Amino acid sequence: NAGVTQTPKFQVLKTGQSMTLQCAQDMNHEYMSWYRQDPGMGLRLIHYSVGAGITDQGEVPNGYNVSRSTTEDFPLRLLSAAPSQTSVYFCASSRLAGMDTGELFFGEGSRLTVL
Amino acid sequence: GNSVTQMEGPVTLSEEAFLTINCTYTATGYPSLFWYVQYPGEGLQLLLKATKADDKGSNKGFEATYRKETTSFHLEKGSVQVSDSAVYFCALRNNQAGTALIFGKGTTLSVSS
Repeated sequence: NAGVTQTPKFQVLKTGQSMTLQCAQDMNHEYMSWYRQDPGMGLRLIHYSVGAGITDQGEVPNGYNVSRSTTEDFPLRLLSAAPSQTSVYFCASSRLAGMDTGELFFGEGSRLTVL
Repeated sequence: GNSVTQMEGPVTLSEEAFLTINCTYTATGYPSLFWYVQYPGEGLQLLLKATKADDKGSNKGFEATYRKETTSFHLEKGSVQVSDSAVYFCALRNNQAGTALIFGKGTTLSVSS
């Protein structure tokens, strides 16, 4: 059982380059989200989606773009990478029905370095 | 707005010591509360949760009680092990469809034998 799969696990970019972090889940979860984790800052929400065709901004959306064309996939795009986007990125998903669970399932993370 | 505040780390303990990691929250309505754990090099995983006031969540010897009167959800374990060394995150989520999970900044626990 795959759960939440993120690729790539590691990436080095130069300032100004673009790239896409991929996220796929096989649990038929409606809710998907992207967080970034930085030392001393905890996890901060970038974007999230409650279903195909629906996305919304989180706490730190600037410099990132998302789309949700299928239930399974939620890619995160960096259009012009900046050193401030050096971070570890986590994709997470959950059900929407039965909100008393609230459990988020996380991928293993993608470590991005922007030079 | 919603927020979570947890004690600064790192917390360094000897094996079999008692652990407390404090967590307080600010939220509208009646959120669900969670503790997540992140082992080195891994993603976060749910440790325990509580969905209403006075609920106690428990798992792997860890416990936390949802205290509405003090807006707290402190994590405790009676006897820590080296394998408990990890980063612990307190989090909340309002019980409305589509709302995000809000995390505290995390507390690093290091247990030595």
